[in-house]
Formats: sequence, C-alpha cells, structure tokens
Amino acid sequence: GIQVEQSPPDLILQEGANSTLRCNFSDSVNNLQWFHQNPWGQLINLFYIPSGTKQNGRLSATTVATERYSLLYISSSQTTDSGVYFCATAPGTSGSRLTFGEGTQLTVNP
Amino acid sequence: GAGVSQTPSNKVTEKGKYVELRCDPISGHTALYWYRQSLGQGPEFLIYFQGTGAADDSGLPNDRFFAVRPEGSVSTLKIQRTERGDSAVYLCASSSGAPPGTQYFGPGTRLTVL
Repeated sequence: GIQVEQSPPDLILQEGANSTLRCNFSDSVNNLQWFHQNPWGQLINLFYIPSGTKQNGRLSATTVATERYSLLYISSSQTTDSGVYFCATAPGTSGSRLTFGEGTQLTVNP
Repeated sequence: GAGVSQTPSNKVTEKGKYVELRCDPISGHTALYWYRQSLGQGPEFLIYFQGTGAADDSGLPNDRFFAVRPEGSVSTLKIQRTERGDSAVYLCASSSGAPPGTQYFGPGTRLTVL
C-alpha cells in the first residue's frame, strides 16, 4: 500500500515563529488531507489538497503531486496551534481509504 | 447534526465481552468510514461504506470485527470476544458523494479492554 512519511516528528517553537511541516507519499494520490488533532483527540480538517496551493488565515498548504510531497506552513504560531498534525492520503486507484502518516507533534511555547 | 457524532465517548469492557460502537454521520453524507487509532500513531483504516453496503472492508483486522449501516445513515461497529489489543480510539468519518472528497471525523470512542 501507499507509504506516508511526515517530518519532523517533533517540533518545538516559540509563539510567533513560523514553521513548515512536510509529508512525502509513495504513490500518486487523488486525496490528500491535512488534519490537526487537538489535545482532546478531535481531528480537525485543515485542508483538502490533492494538488495546488491553498491558504486559510495563518495556515497554507502546497501539494506537488508530480513530486509526491505536500507542505503545511504555519505562520505566527500561537499556543493553540499545539497538537499533532497529520497528513493523510488515498491512492489514485481508490479515493476511499486514507493512509495516515505518523504525525508531527507541535508544541508552541508562550 | 452539525458534525459526525459517536457514542459512547468512552467504553470500558472486560476481555471476552461484546461491544457496539455507534456513528452518526453528517446529514446527507453517503460515504462513511471507520478508523482505529492506537496511542502515538496515526489512524488506521478499517472499513468504508457507500450507502448501505460495505465497499471496502479490507482493513478489518479479523472476523471478530463487523460493521453495519442498514439504512445508509447510522453505522454500528461490532466487536466480538474483545481482546486487550483491541483497546484504542475508534474514529468514524463521513464524506458527501463518492470518493475522493473531504472526510470529516467524529470525536471518537475510546475503548478500553481490561
């Protein structure tokens, strides 16, 4: 099956700093989503981005499908951004089952 | 409802018992998914429904696990003869129409098997 690798596994920032999270995947995809899992375990949708670039406030994401990677940018980080960020993809042959990476644990200190 | 809901939020059971976990998808969403998340890992796919039928059940770990969606809305994940290794958070997601498309996740059911 498709492999999804996220980096870095852990990231510690001071409030106000910027960061870039990376997701590499091993096959062509027709579904790629970024999620934020908050401390209560809720998976919050950030982006549906199988290709191209999107922005939502302080967050933006870019997926380069031909090179099989996606980037999540967080600018002017806040303590509420802390949590685990997951990238999940589904292969081009089937858009149903999402395969998740191991996540990036982000800690933003005040 | 506004989002995907799951009940119960927590379930503690004894090894060997039978449990049922319920998922109520976003109204009108035809696709429904079950995932399982162990501590420190990303969610893993279990089963996908399109309408009433299981379109992909390849993620179910063994025949102790079964899921139904009889009317194409609410789904129940059933686990027989629970084992301690079944302890995890069970997540449900739904999406509108056929895949691909954004999957929206519920808050999960934390299952603990003693």
